[in-house]
Amino acid sequence: NAGVMQNPRHLVRRRGQEARLRCSPMKGHSHVYWYRQLPEEGLKFMVYLQKENIIDESGMPKERFSAEFPKEGPSILRIQQVVRGDSAAYFCASSPDSGTSTDTQYFGPGTRLTVL
Amino acid sequence: AQTVTQSQPEMSVQEAETVTLSCTYDTSESDYYLFWYKQPPSRQMILVIRQEAYKQQNATENRFSVNFQKAAKSFSLKISDSQLGDAAMYFCAYRSQYSGTYKYIFGTGTRLKVLA
Repeated sequence: NAGVMQNPRHLVRRRGQEARLRCSPMKGHSHVYWYRQLPEEGLKFMVYLQKENIIDESGMPKERFSAEFPKEGPSILRIQQVVRGDSAAYFCASSPDSGTSTDTQYFGPGTRLTVL
Repeated sequence: AQTVTQSQPEMSVQEAETVTLSCTYDTSESDYYLFWYKQPPSRQMILVIRQEAYKQQNATENRFSVNFQKAAKSFSLKISDSQLGDAAMYFCAYRSQYSGTYKYIFGTGTRLKVLA
């Protein structure tokens, strides 16, 4: 069973460009979470999605950030008009739909976004 | 709102010795989950151990064990027989039991150095 996949692993953008981060959850997982980790800090929750639904976006900045998890394909975190402060590692996690460990989130390797 | 505090920014341990990492949290909820994750230099988040709050028995996973003190809201991680590969950032995380709030709340992390 492949783990959570994220791509790209590294992404460089210039200020004002758009960044698209992709996450494929583990097989059998339809719950996806996005977290952001600023340098030398812990992970901060951004958004929680299930297929075609945003369940909790309380950690998402109000502007420029959006997320989706379509019926088919990976979850996408989109950052429009990036600024230097968006430079961070973005982690995706997924959790199973059923079973004894539905509370456990399994993390992908992260995407490191650098804004020049 | 729940908070998680890791008061030790950095800890060192001699190889083969035992070290304890501290974590305290604040919540008004009675049911929740607690986790320790390891983040090595690769930045991959790796689940170390998980504890359900309704269970009084402390969780153990090989050389890793926790001291869960619910009344004190304390959740420390003990690493026995420390190995060089244990060197990493360690994050404590809290997850509510209640539907709709599945996000993790992370502490700021403890950097563990293992000395040969």
